[in-house]
Amino acid sequence: GESVGLHLPTLSVQEGDNSIINCAYSNSASDYFIWYKQESGKGPQFIIDIRSNMDKRQGQRVTVLLNKTVKHLSLQIAATQPGDSAVYFCAEKGDNQGGKLIFGQGTELSVKP
Amino acid sequence: ETGVTQTPRHLVMGMTNKKSLKCEQHLGHNAMYWYKQSAKKPLELMFVYNFKEQTENNSVPSRFSPECPNSSHLFLHLHTLQPEDSALYLCASSQDRNRAGRTGGYTFGSGTRLTVV
Repeated sequence: GESVGLHLPTLSVQEGDNSIINCAYSNSASDYFIWYKQESGKGPQFIIDIRSNMDKRQGQRVTVLLNKTVKHLSLQIAATQPGDSAVYFCAEKGDNQGGKLIFGQGTELSVKP
Repeated sequence: ETGVTQTPRHLVMGMTNKKSLKCEQHLGHNAMYWYKQSAKKPLELMFVYNFKEQTENNSVPSRFSPECPNSSHLFLHLHTLQPEDSALYLCASSQDRNRAGRTGGYTFGSGTRLTVV
């Protein structure tokens, strides 16, 4: 069936380095994608989104890249900080899924000081 | 504070108990969701309410009973749970079910950490 998955379940980076979190999706009809951050003891929080008519979108220290050819989504975090330590989820929406967001498994990012 | 408030934050209950989880949102949203989050597993959608009407039940056991009295409040009534039901239960809201993907997605509460003993 259709799914959203992540290549790496855990990622450890040094403070100040850039982080890249990847996500693969298989629903070619998905037209909207979101990255969420979930810190310990909290619910997922919206970071950045991108529509399928774009291939790149930048926020503050974060960039999302969308490659529709290979159905791949990535989140880049520049100058990673200890406060970035969290679990990161990608989510996709396609009209053939009833308008619901479909969430991936999540990647745990650990930032070493 | 995200605008979606869940209570209690933590709950320990026996298998014969009856308890309720509460979710409240002050964002003017019309769709509300219950998710179950177990360790090392993706978020599992349980129920969807749109304009107070239940629009989705993802084959959730009847020991979980949702209630949505209005667009701002959502409850999850629990009875005769099993230890495997221990998890983080997350409530989320969006402007409406069909526009969840056009307005920044869902807003989540902090969850209720449920332990069934």
